[in-house]
Amino acid sequence: DAMVIQNPRYQVTQFGKPVTLSCSQTLNHNVMYWYQQKSSQAPKLLFHYYDKDFNNEADTPDNFQSRRPNTSFCFLDIRSPGLGDAAMYLCATSYPGAANEKLFFGSGTQLSVL
Amino acid sequence: AQKITQTQPGMFVQEKEAVTLDCTYDTSDQSYGLFWYKQPSSGEMIFLIYQGSYDEQNATEGRYSLNFQKARKSANLVISASQLGDSAMYFCAMSRSNDYKLSFGAGTTVTVRA
Repeated sequence: DAMVIQNPRYQVTQFGKPVTLSCSQTLNHNVMYWYQQKSSQAPKLLFHYYDKDFNNEADTPDNFQSRRPNTSFCFLDIRSPGLGDAAMYLCATSYPGAANEKLFFGSGTQLSVL
Repeated sequence: AQKITQTQPGMFVQEKEAVTLDCTYDTSDQSYGLFWYKQPSSGEMIFLIYQGSYDEQNATEGRYSLNFQKARKSANLVISASQLGDSAMYFCAMSRSNDYKLSFGAGTTVTVRA
């Protein structure tokens, strides 16, 4: 029944070692988002895809990149993780035009940087 | 720019009692949407309830109701008959009609006591 699936649930990487987080959806939604959430803080939008169009938030560091090879999958690449990038990363989807345009979230990937 | 304010960082509530979580927002838009999400310790963001700015009736979903006061720009969440499983972080969020992205408040942690 899972509709937005994130893998892995926990990811440990080393300082400076590239890491990729993955997200897939079975909802066929146009929009996919990546949020970063640090402990006890609000989720912060990094970027989103509307279909194939990539939309970066103005304050998202260049260290963060994303790929969406098809409707179902979206990846978050962190090129050189720093200690400050340790956080929960949440993937979400939505269908603009739906009655309330709510976001459907995955369970998140908790990233640790050693 | 939009701003969502949740002034209660943490609340305790007795099981079976009701609790109100405050949310105020600031926007110059006429059309917008207001959302509440629940985030248990597992990390997943769970949609609870939605209120459109043009909706005249307060939204309700089971034990959740949204006390929408448009003139005061507030959208408080009321959880009735609290259960132990309601212990979680609760986020208020807002979207604009021409911008499907969500902006989140800082969240309120609710702890339900037996």
